Amino acid sequence: GAGVSQSPSNKVTEKGKDVELRCDPISGHTALYWYRQRLGQGLEFLIYFQGNSAPDKSGLPSDRFSAERTGESVSTLTIQRTQQEDSAVYLCASSPSTGDVYEQYFGPGTRLTVT
Amino acid sequence: GQQVMQIPQYQHVQEGEDFTTYCNSSTTLSNIQWYKQRPGGHPVFLIQLVKSGEVKKQKRLTFQFGEAKKNSSLHITATQTTDVGTYFCAGPGDYKLSFGAGTTVTVRA
Repeated sequence: GAGVSQSPSNKVTEKGKDVELRCDPISGHTALYWYRQRLGQGLEFLIYFQGNSAPDKSGLPSDRFSAERTGESVSTLTIQRTQQEDSAVYLCASSPSTGDVYEQYFGPGTRLTVT
Repeated sequence: GQQVMQIPQYQHVQEGEDFTTYCNSSTTLSNIQWYKQRPGGHPVFLIQLVKSGEVKKQKRLTFQFGEAKKNSSLHITATQTTDVGTYFCAGPGDYKLSFGAGTTVTVRA
């Protein structure tokens, strides 16, 4: 079946502009995660959604970052007033469960470049 | 919170040689997962280990979970150029995975 998809694949924006990144999880996956990966670095957790529960926003680096998810479907990550340090690949992952036994399926990522 | 540490950060390997990368946790893990990220790609799930002392093999890759469930290792034999990439371990932290910083593997032909 279809995997996790993300759009756009690449985004170049000017400093100070807002951007919106989209993630389509695998159908039926209740958990959805956003990560940030700077060049040559590991995965930085941003936010987590599980069904209709309140999201875990503990990884969001500042109030310029926000994310939404409607039910168990599409999620959008919004970055307001972008800064150059926001340049990174933003990865979305979905998982069929919040339990300890299910792997995360990653999308191809959105490469964000802030000029 | 839960943290997993990986060593080494970089592994330069001669093609055909073996190497091992390690993952250590400060707390006992209920399970540990390994992912591989090819250059320019996204992380892809490799395996999950659950039981104390568990060993699983995938062709030339051998994964082991420590007896105390605080560490894990990935051993690759007869390294090939297709093994290039970054290998991440990830442990459950609350209800979300905590990823190590990864071991980036390069191969000399």
